[in-house]
Amino acid sequence: EVRLLESGGGLVQPGGSLRLSCAASGFTFSSSAMTWVRQAPGKGLEWVSSLTNSGVDTYYADSVKGRFAISRDYSKNTLYLQMNSLRAEDTAVYYCAKSGGLAVEAGGYFDYWGQGSLVTVSS
Amino acid sequence: SYEVTQPPSVSVSPGQTASITCSGDKLGYKFTSWYQQGPGQSPVLVIYQDSKRPSGIPERFSGSNSGSTATLTISGTQAMDEADYYCQAWDSSTTSYVFGTGTKVTVL
Repeated sequence: EVRLLESGGGLVQPGGSLRLSCAASGFTFSSSAMTWVRQAPGKGLEWVSSLTNSGVDTYYADSVKGRFAISRDYSKNTLYLQMNSLRAEDTAVYYCAKSGGLAVEAGGYFDYWGQGSLVTVSS
Repeated sequence: SYEVTQPPSVSVSPGQTASITCSGDKLGYKFTSWYQQGPGQSPVLVIYQDSKRPSGIPERFSGSNSGSTATLTISGTQAMDEADYYCQAWDSSTTSYVFGTGTKVTVL
């Protein structure tokens, strides 16, 4: 059974930093691209960042480029999202999602999702 | 940036067919996937690559994509299908994924 368990969310002040983790199990971690998607309260889904199965290629939404960094640890089967210079508009539930393939590309889709981790940016 | 739009809401009677559209420039040339999100729940993939159905998803869910519109169809809609639905595609010009604005399906 595929499981994705996010952690690391919480309350942080504007300008602060936070690192989200996503512990993966039930599939070959090195064979899937991975993605972070967020959802602000009462709003729709917003793609944040993706990482290929090899970890070599990374992709970011313009709204987080230069502030967020995605990475993965194959020894721990864990995906990370380092979030710096946080803003009020980054407040959202952050979901970790497994991609249906190796790459980040046309035809890509997200076949399993975690339960989400709430990040609140407020003073 | 590439945008895909969906109607905010769709209402359907139990047992009838619900059609949810997703519109974007030349969307028919891109693969589209669909996600169902119940209240307080994580999204669930219901259709991928336009018309493929993951294992465990009921046959009443189907998808199509042509021209500038992708469509998710729910045949014989049941009360349990009441949820928010999002389409998703890849924008090659910006190398980014994009989600639609979301449609709330109400089963009356």
